Amino acid sequence: EVHLLESGGDLVQPGGSLRLSCAASGFTFSSYAMSWVRQTPGKALEWVSGISGAGDKTDYADSVKGRFTISRDNSKSTLFLQMNSLRADDTAIYYCAKVEDIEIFPAVCLDYWGQGTLVTVSS
Amino acid sequence: SFELTQPLSVSVALGQTAKITCGRDNIADENVHWYLRKPGQAPVLVIYRDILRPSGIPERVSGSKSRNTATLTISRAQAGDEGDYYCQVWDTTTAVFGGGTKLTVL
Repeated sequence: EVHLLESGGDLVQPGGSLRLSCAASGFTFSSYAMSWVRQTPGKALEWVSGISGAGDKTDYADSVKGRFTISRDNSKSTLFLQMNSLRADDTAIYYCAKVEDIEIFPAVCLDYWGQGTLVTVSS
Repeated sequence: SFELTQPLSVSVALGQTAKITCGRDNIADENVHWYLRKPGQAPVLVIYRDILRPSGIPERVSGSKSRNTATLTISRAQAGDEGDYYCQVWDTTTAVFGGGTKLTVL
């Protein structure tokens, strides 16, 4: 059974940094691309970032480009999101999601999601 | 990037049929996926590539598309179908979500 468990969410001041982790189990982690998606306080879902199964291709939403870095450790089946220069509008529940293929391309879906971890950016 | 347009809310009587739409010019050319998020729970994939159901999703949940609109149909609606439904497509390698539709079963 696929299981994704996010951690690392916290209250942080504007301008601060945070590192989220997502521990994966129940599938061959390196064979699948992964994504981070966030749910804002207004309930909208916003895609944040994606990474290929090998970790050699990454993409970011314009809103986080240059501030966030996605990475993965396939030996530990763990996905990461390093978040720097945090702003109030980064406040959200952050979900990690498994992509149904090793690469991200237009036909693929996000077939499994974690429960999410809450990031609050406030002074 | 572009936007996907969903109604904010849809209400349906218990046992009746609910339709949730997702609009975008020429959405017929995209692969559309649908997710359900219930409060406090992980989002769940309910329809992928327009019409396909993951294992565990009942047959009364279906997807369809016309030129500019994708539709999620829930037949014989039950209380357990309540939640926020989101459509999603890809803009090259960037995912785009609709604003979400809150389904209420009366």
